Amino acid sequence: GQSLEQPSEVTAVEGAIVQINCTYQTSGFYGLSWYQQHDGGAPTFLSYNALDGLEETGRFSSFLSRSDSYGYLLLQELQMKDSASYFCAVNKIIFGKGTRLHILP
Amino acid sequence: GAGVSQSPSNKVTEKGKDVELRCDPISGHTALYWYRQSLGQGLEFLIYFQGNSAPDKSGLPSDRFSAERTGGSVSTLTIQRTQQEDSAVYLCASSLGPGQREKLFFGSGTQLSVL
Repeated sequence: GQSLEQPSEVTAVEGAIVQINCTYQTSGFYGLSWYQQHDGGAPTFLSYNALDGLEETGRFSSFLSRSDSYGYLLLQELQMKDSASYFCAVNKIIFGKGTRLHILP
Repeated sequence: GAGVSQSPSNKVTEKGKDVELRCDPISGHTALYWYRQSLGQGLEFLIYFQGNSAPDKSGLPSDRFSAERTGGSVSTLTIQRTQQEDSAVYLCASSLGPGQREKLFFGSGTQLSVL
């Protein structure tokens, strides 16, 4: 079957750095995306990796290792507004169950 | 439009009734996707349109679910003979094209409650 695994919850302190991991098992792979969803809101695009390596977009970075079927999202200088759920997705159609990020002041 | 628009935002229906959910994608976006999200869960892919064609409808959970897209724009998702397990938020997303690098823009969803 096809699946994505990511932690259900992560807690971090404001101003710190947090990493959210995602491992996938899919038949066919084109790219790994990350989306943010605040409670009651629509998912919004954060980042995309098609090739191995790190992609940086402001405070957010995303990493992919195709050989390990693994990626992560790195959030730096955490702000309270980053409290949300984060989803990894493969090929735009297979989504993980999401990681709820709690940020402590 | 400026963003992806979905209607209605909320729908309460009785078990056994049919419902239609509408999605207006961003103008010029050729790819359109439907997903379902149950409370606290991830997104479950339902169907993908490229233009008016649906090359991937593998996620439709049963033959009670159908979708169409007309004029390469508006799409409707129809659920016939609704069941309580159909209760969820139905999300629509569009992207400029079908390429994997093209990011998805989501609507705010339709919260469907089947009583």
